[in-house]
Amino acid sequence: GQQLNQSPQSMFIQEGEDVSMNCTSSSIFNTWLWYKQDPGEGPVLLIALYKAGELTSNGRLTAQFGITRKDSFLNISASIPSDVGIYFCAGDWPSGSRLTFGEGTQLTVNP
Amino acid sequence: DAEITQSPRHKITETGRQVTLACHQTWNHNNMFWYRQDLGHGLRLIHYSYGVHDTNKGEVSDGYSVSRSNTEDLPLTLESAASSQTSVYFCASSEGDTQYFGPGTRLTVL
Repeated sequence: GQQLNQSPQSMFIQEGEDVSMNCTSSSIFNTWLWYKQDPGEGPVLLIALYKAGELTSNGRLTAQFGITRKDSFLNISASIPSDVGIYFCAGDWPSGSRLTFGEGTQLTVNP
Repeated sequence: DAEITQSPRHKITETGRQVTLACHQTWNHNNMFWYRQDLGHGLRLIHYSYGVHDTNKGEVSDGYSVSRSNTEDLPLTLESAASSQTSVYFCASSEGDTQYFGPGTRLTVL
């Protein structure tokens, strides 16, 4: 099946620092999605990307759909303690509405 | 407000027992999905459905079954629970690419 490689697996940063994480795939995706999961909760959608090259922001979050359609990155600027959680990338299968998920990036923000 | 709910939120059962996890959504979405989440594996697709009476196997479907008798519900059944099925289970629904997740069910099989 299709696989996504998400990196880094974990990050430990100080409050106020910027964060960057990315996902790569050997397959082309039509859509890239970024989710955040808080402890004990289900993943919540942060940003959806639908076009190669697309750059989209949501507050302090910025994500880009790679021009090759095989990668995407997520940046968080000026991190705050509530940014703590697991961030997942996901790409849609070319047919149907199934998603393939990366293994997640565990983010820890030290005050 | 429309939402997606799962029950129970926590379940402890014994090896060999049949277990059913409920998922209910009020968005009227045609697509529904079941995932399991384990450390080091992210979210893995168990089963999915594109509409009433439609069910399909995902990448880790062995030992699980689903049925879709209406738009709102997709119950997940473990026919004979095994310790390897101890996990956190998430249900999701979508209309298109964007999936919305329930709060999860933590299942422990002893």
